[in-house]
Amino acid sequence: EIVLTQSPGTLSLSPGERATLSCRASQSVSSNYLAWYQQKPGQAPRLLIYGASSRATGIPDRFSGSGSGTDFTLTISRLEPEDFAVYYCQQYASPWTFGQGTKVEIK
Amino acid sequence: EVQLVESGGGLVQPGRSLRLSCVASGFAFDDFAMHWVRQVPGKGLEWVSGITWNSGNIAYADSVKGRFTISRDNAKNSLYLQMNSLRPEDTALYYCGRGRTYSVYDPFDYWGQGTLVTVSS
Repeated sequence: EIVLTQSPGTLSLSPGERATLSCRASQSVSSNYLAWYQQKPGQAPRLLIYGASSRATGIPDRFSGSGSGTDFTLTISRLEPEDFAVYYCQQYASPWTFGQGTKVEIK
Repeated sequence: EVQLVESGGGLVQPGRSLRLSCVASGFAFDDFAMHWVRQVPGKGLEWVSGITWNSGNIAYADSVKGRFTISRDNAKNSLYLQMNSLRPEDTALYYCGRGRTYSVYDPFDYWGQGTLVTVSS
């Protein structure tokens, strides 16, 4: 089973700042089967990025994903008030696993 | 509009069974793989089980293998999770999620709002 480790656990930033979230895999993720999700309190997760770098339908271009192999990054270029949430990475190469999450909070 | 509505959760004693359902609408259900994911309130996400569009490929997390059974009825646009021998550690909010394509090797692009399962005596 591939273990995903996200860092940092919490990111304290102000609106307008750049957010950089990391996801490291315990072994190489085949075919870059790596996704990112956003979850707000009381809501289901929302798919942001799949295939490590492809934006899902309707996702603003301030969200971008990069990386390959074992190291992946989600970048939010300029934080909007609605971006403060918890973010999870997921690998879907079976069995599917999630990282433990990074909380992006308002500083 | 794509909608996924889970039901069947509740309070159940350890060792007992429960069957969750997820009714889909707004898309061609038999074109997509489907999954169950759970989340302990305030904690992270855990994938539970997945099934391809034609039930030809099914997978389970080790934590539920042998106890849970996923199935689907494409004629009823419905996904199911039969949960047997429930344990307190199965307590969580259970979400159904749609795979992005027919393949089970895809992320989940739509999610329901979840149904809460509480296993306690």
